[in-house]
Amino acid sequence: SQQGEEDPQALSIQEGENATMNCSYKTSINNLQWYRQNSGRGLVHLILIRSNEREKHSGRLRVTLDTSKKSSSLLITASRAADTASYFCATLFGNEKLTFGTGTRLTIIP
Amino acid sequence: GAVVSQHPSRVICKSGTSVKIECRSLDFQATTMFWYRQFPKQSLMLMATSNEGSKATYEQGVEKDKFLINHASLTLSTLTVTSAHPEDSSFYICSARKTGITYGYTFGSGTRLTVV
Repeated sequence: SQQGEEDPQALSIQEGENATMNCSYKTSINNLQWYRQNSGRGLVHLILIRSNEREKHSGRLRVTLDTSKKSSSLLITASRAADTASYFCATLFGNEKLTFGTGTRLTIIP
Repeated sequence: GAVVSQHPSRVICKSGTSVKIECRSLDFQATTMFWYRQFPKQSLMLMATSNEGSKATYEQGVEKDKFLINHASLTLSTLTVTSAHPEDSSFYICSARKTGITYGYTFGSGTRLTVV
């Protein structure tokens, strides 16, 4: 069954603005990962945050994790048109199976 | 970096026929590969976990006889959709986990299957 819920389901912002997406999950995790999917394509791994980490940065990406609330957020700063895509969180616990959230469709308006 | 090649990227087949999709890790060995299905504007749903040299593990509700998975080598897993029906039309994506690496998952570019 699907683990995570993401919000918003869709987000449109002007180029240059920051975009924030949230993910909530239901069970304990080893780590949480964020992926990007361009329309009709495969997934690209963006960033991984372990359960004992609270914040992680990678370029224009900032991820936070609150295990007490079972939630994570992905912040994309200074958005670009090329950031237009769907973004998914995925959690991993115990076994090898990644469980994906419902996704956020991000549209950057030039 | 790790690269996974998925082929074909698009396929159209007639109802009742079978279609094979290949997932190949190009520059690493993958003991375990995963097959997902994605409906338009929805998330990825895990169908099965493919283990080299053994039977695949299917998720609840996935028909084993309809979605045949073979993982005959450390670099290749195949998904065969048998007796395809229009409701099998979907986007299928594979991912491979590098042997010995706990967190490294690499995804293929997906296969758009249309059954007419």
